[in-house]
Amino acid sequence: GIQVEQSPPDLILQEGANSTLRCNFSDSVNNLQWFHQNPWGQLINLFYIPSGTKQNGRLSATTVATERYSLLYISSSQTTDSGVYFCAVGGAAGNKLTFGGGTRVLVKP
Amino acid sequence: KAGVTQTPRYLIKTRGQQVTLSCSPISGHRSVSWYQQTPGQGLQFLFEYFSETQRNKGNFPGRFSGRQFSNSRSEMNVSTLELGDSALYLCASSLGGPQGASNYGYTFGSGTRLTVV
Repeated sequence: GIQVEQSPPDLILQEGANSTLRCNFSDSVNNLQWFHQNPWGQLINLFYIPSGTKQNGRLSATTVATERYSLLYISSSQTTDSGVYFCAVGGAAGNKLTFGGGTRVLVKP
Repeated sequence: KAGVTQTPRYLIKTRGQQVTLSCSPISGHRSVSWYQQTPGQGLQFLFEYFSETQRNKGNFPGRFSGRQFSNSRSEMNVSTLELGDSALYLCASSLGGPQGASNYGYTFGSGTRLTVV
């Protein structure tokens, strides 16, 4: 099956800093999503981005499908950005998402 | 529109018992899939249903089962509970389609936190 690796595993930021989270995957995909898991466990959908670039406020994401990686950018981080960020991919078959191990982000005031 | 609804939110069960979790997808979504999240194994795929048919199953023992109803609502059942079944169980809803659910974005519910004692 598809392997998904996220880096770094942990990230500590000062409020206002910018950061980049990376997701590498081992095979071609037709689905790639970034999620933020809140303290109560819910996975909040940030981006559906199997290819290209998208932006939503202070967050943006880029997927280079031919090179099998995706990046999530957080600009001007806020304490509310703290939590775990997951990258998940889906292949052409399988009807499922495979998740990376996540990046745990802590934004300090 | 309403999101994905999972019930109950929290559950405490004893080893050997069985449990049923429920998931109501977003209106119009026909694909429902289930995931288990534990600190040791991360997020793992359990199974996916589309139009009342299971299309894919993850690597879990037969004690884990599920079904989908004609209104797309889904239930998953775990029989003979073990301590290791303690986890957050997440349901995801997707438009789906005959060609597969992976071509569409997934929306997750708030999860059911199961504790087995």
